[in-house]
Amino acid sequence: AQKVTQAQTEISVVEKEDVTLDCVYETRDTTYYLFWYKQPPSGELVFLIRRNSFDEQNEISGRYSWNFQKSTSSFNFTITASQVVDSAVYFCALSEALGQGGSEKLVFGKGTKLTVNP
Amino acid sequence: DSGVTQTPKHLITATGQRVTLRCSPRSGDLSVYWYQQSLDQGLQFLIQYYNGEERAKGNILERFSAQQFPDLHSELNLSSLELGDSALYFCASSVGTGIAKNIQYFGAGTRLSVL
Repeated sequence: AQKVTQAQTEISVVEKEDVTLDCVYETRDTTYYLFWYKQPPSGELVFLIRRNSFDEQNEISGRYSWNFQKSTSSFNFTITASQVVDSAVYFCALSEALGQGGSEKLVFGKGTKLTVNP
Repeated sequence: DSGVTQTPKHLITATGQRVTLRCSPRSGDLSVYWYQQSLDQGLQFLIQYYNGEERAKGNILERFSAQQFPDLHSELNLSSLELGDSALYFCASSVGTGIAKNIQYFGAGTRLSVL
């Protein structure tokens, strides 16, 4: 069964601090995708990134970076020099490749609420 | 703006009632997904449609049903509502099926309050 664990329920930092959000996943499939979504206080879910199971290269996008390690089944998200606008709930999600006729449903973790204080 | 439109944004109704939530996917997207977000269950997959056909079911109650119309918009029908159905309901869409095409873009959600 697929499972995503975000052990950190809430994190509070001061602006300009770096913060890492942890994500650990379980899957039996060898082909899968991992995602991060952001849910700001306004409530919508915003897509941030997708990584496939064959690409373990770390990715950087501005102040955001992602570290994917298959050996530890982790896909961690780091925000560098955090800003107040980064305050949101961040969700890690997993999608398996079920082939023809399957569903690419997302299995979400419980989310990590990040508060960045000025 | 994700391009996925959900209406209404808020819905307040009473127990036992029936409501319909509507979703218009991004232009060109054939797959529509419905998710429920509640405090106790988190984000849960309900159902997926692809080009008008049901593709997969998740934790969807028998009191709930959905469909996708020829113009690709989708509706989620919730009946015999209970207090526990109060939640944020999201619709998402993606280009198609096949995992390579599956980046799901979410609408702003419909917040359902059952009183």
